[in-house]
Formats: sequence, C-alpha cells, structure tokens
Amino acid sequence: GAVVSQHPSWVICKSGTSVKIECRSLDFQATTMFWYRQFPKQSLMLMATSNEGSKATYEQGVEKDKFLINHASLTLSTLTVTSAHPEDSSFYICSAYPTGPYNSPLHFGNGTRLTVT
Amino acid sequence: QKEVEQDPGPLSVPEGAIVSLNCTYSNSAFQYFMWYRQYSRKGPELLMYTYSSGNKEDGRFTAQVDKSSKYISLFIRDSQPSDSATYLCAIAGKSTFGDGTTLTVKP
Repeated sequence: GAVVSQHPSWVICKSGTSVKIECRSLDFQATTMFWYRQFPKQSLMLMATSNEGSKATYEQGVEKDKFLINHASLTLSTLTVTSAHPEDSSFYICSAYPTGPYNSPLHFGNGTRLTVT
Repeated sequence: QKEVEQDPGPLSVPEGAIVSLNCTYSNSAFQYFMWYRQYSRKGPELLMYTYSSGNKEDGRFTAQVDKSSKYISLFIRDSQPSDSATYLCAIAGKSTFGDGTTLTVKP
C-alpha cells in the first residue's frame, strides 16, 4: 500500500518552455504533498509543501512564480516549471503522507528527470 | 540546529560485512523514525519505520532507536552489492531528511 506515482519519469524540453510534472497518491488520500529537487550526489532539497485546496508553501529561495504548484484534489499535486532554463535541469521528486496520523511515514514517487536544452 | 544529522559518507565495505549507519536527532519529543534507501536516479523507498526505543528487525536489516542519546541506527547484516545505495534517516511528521550516507558494497 501507500503508492505514490510520478509522471513523467523523464522529460526533455527546450529552454523557455514549460513542463508539468504530476504526483498522484494511488491508494490513499494526501492532504499534504511535498516537492523536492535533487542534484547529482546531493541530498534532497525541499522546494515546497503542497496543500490540497490552498496555496503551496515555498521554501526560502524557491521562486513561486517559476515553480507553480497546484494541489487540486486529495490524490493529485502538480509542479509546473515555467520558462525552463538549463539550470532548472535536475531530478524532481514528490512525496506524500497518508491523511491521518501525523506520524505516518512519507512515501515517495520515483522522481522525474528534467533536462532543459 | 538541524532536526536530524546523519553521519557523513561515503562508506565502502566488502560483501558480507556488517554495516552500521547512524543519525542523531535534536528533539526528544520525536517518536517515530524512518530509514529510506535511494538508488541512483530513483525516489527514496521506505526501508524501516520504527517507534520509540528498541530494535526492529526485517530480514538483514535492523533499525535501532536509543531515545536516551537521541540516536538512531540502521544495521545491515551480510551486506550485498545490491545494498549499494544512499540511505536516509528521517523523523515522522517532518519533511526534511538527513543528508544521506552513500554505501558501496564491493563484491
């Protein structure tokens, strides 16, 4: 149980275009989802917290106008990288808690590798 | 102070060795702890989920929590090359993680 599906797993886009990444909780509801960014051989860096039905909370230094997050339902959050540039190339990962006890473990998607050319 | 600090790596061991991975945490109120394993270019997968003090065993993996010293450990017995990955410790209810320890098990 507690499966998080992330799509696409790999995407290449041209500089200046936008890319949308989907994160779905397949067998549980998630009021809160998280988006991370990870550069090669570095740790997970929390970008934002996505809350169903309300605005996302962004970490310091993350541009909210560049990384648009929408959490329209209890099973789906999307991250849109707008006007992508080569420096946005990275590995993006989402995670979610099953709604319920605060002490539930996080479950992760399998990540999206974004390459901006 | 970070909520959880992880022993830095990388760690390289021969196949069959016992591996010990360690973290400390800052708040004695934390009660639930997790270990994740992350293979290259994959999302982290939940390996162990433990509550309070004591040990939890799952096959070759044992998670240990020492609340008196705010120390959590993951032991891997009879390590295999397939265990080569980055291991992350985490606190339940938190969205941040230790920096990870990269383990390489050499055949």
